[in-house]
Amino acid sequence: AQKITQTQPGMFVQEKEAVTLDCTYDTSDPSYGLFWYKQPSSGEMIFLIYQGSYDQQNATEGRYSLNFQKARKSANLVISASQLGDSAMYFCATQKGNNDMRFGAGTRLTVKP
Amino acid sequence: DAGITQSPRYKITETGRQVTLMCHQTWSHSYMFWYRQDLGHGLRLIYYSAAADITDKGEVPDGYVVSRSKTENFPLTLESATRSQTSVYFCASSESKEQYFGPGTRLTVT
Repeated sequence: AQKITQTQPGMFVQEKEAVTLDCTYDTSDPSYGLFWYKQPSSGEMIFLIYQGSYDQQNATEGRYSLNFQKARKSANLVISASQLGDSAMYFCATQKGNNDMRFGAGTRLTVKP
Repeated sequence: DAGITQSPRYKITETGRQVTLMCHQTWSHSYMFWYRQDLGHGLRLIYYSAAADITDKGEVPDGYVVSRSKTENFPLTLESATRSQTSVYFCASSESKEQYFGPGTRLTVT
């Protein structure tokens, strides 16, 4: 079974600075997907970024980038130029095939003005 | 409205009662999912469906029943609710990789 570990229950960052949210995973499958989702206080789950296990380059989506280190089974999310609206829970997830998605426990990010 | 919707958004029920949470998507996505979210556990997969009339268990299926007679609907039933099923329930749909989530249903079992 896949296991996802997010070791930072809470993180603080100053507005306009960059922040890295850690995620490690444990899977024996050679093919898998890595995802990050954002959950603001309003409760909805918002997709941020995706990385395939065979992708050679790190995924980027605007201010979000995924630091993928396959050998270390690490998929850290980097948010550049933090904004107050980035304050939220962030969840890392892995997916096997098109169905079996497993989530970490999440990291609560607080952006300070 | 287009997208994925859940109803009700909030529900209070008593132990032992049957309750059904509804999920509807307008994208005709093949895959649909039910998750529960509890503090300290992130989201955990309850059941998923790859197509109409095809369902399978996820990580925490005990105490839940699903059906999928139409592609757009994926109801989740708690046949005899227990207090441990108090949670926020999310439905999601997908066609390939990214999953799109509904707004969630907050269920309280007293």
